[in-house]
Amino acid sequence: DQQVKQNSPSLSVQEGRISILNCDYTNSMFDYFLWYKKYPAEGPTFLISISSIKDKNEDGRFTVFLNKSAKHLSLHIVPSQPGDSAVYFCAASGEIQGAQKLVFGQGTRLTINP
Amino acid sequence: AAGVIQSPRHLIKEKRETATLKCYPIPRHDTVYWYQQGPGQDPQFLISFYEKMQSDKGSIPDRFSAQQFSDYHSELNMSSLELGDSALYFCASSKGAGGAYNEQFFGPGTRLTVL
Repeated sequence: DQQVKQNSPSLSVQEGRISILNCDYTNSMFDYFLWYKKYPAEGPTFLISISSIKDKNEDGRFTVFLNKSAKHLSLHIVPSQPGDSAVYFCAASGEIQGAQKLVFGQGTRLTINP
Repeated sequence: AAGVIQSPRHLIKEKRETATLKCYPIPRHDTVYWYQQGPGQDPQFLISFYEKMQSDKGSIPDRFSAQQFSDYHSELNMSSLELGDSALYFCASSKGAGGAYNEQFFGPGTRLTVL
């Protein structure tokens, strides 16, 4: 049972345009959401996060939107740059069955074309 | 800034052999997590330790065991290796008991190949 879903395995965007990566979750106990970026041969690096009490968090070119009623979050990157090409993992955190859990989505490979 | 260190970075073993992966957390981080990422898959949580005690357990096979030592480094011991154990193994660390607001910082991973 995939509790965090990233339905698009890959996405190609032109440099300078907006990249939108989507993530859906099923467990309403999740109350904190994170995006990680992963380059080949490296571990995931934390990018941006959002608490369930907010619907938007912005950090430079990166903005995460949370729609709790739809159990959906998205990461917007604008303008997209070639260095943004990587795999992006959405992760959800919350207390599940008495323990803090961090659950990852399957990842979306973002390619920024010059 | 110091990051999470994992060793070795690459490991090749044969079926039924054993392997030990090591993780050195960021200084002053007291919580360590282990993840397994198979080809084309998302990282799957295996096990975590807080202050040298197991704090949570995920999809870790019985053939695997792990512990956290007094210096907070952790080792993942894998026995009777199977072909399906070939994966990227990530260690992450955080400050605190893995609460929702304690971001996990990941190491570069150990790529294990079982032949």
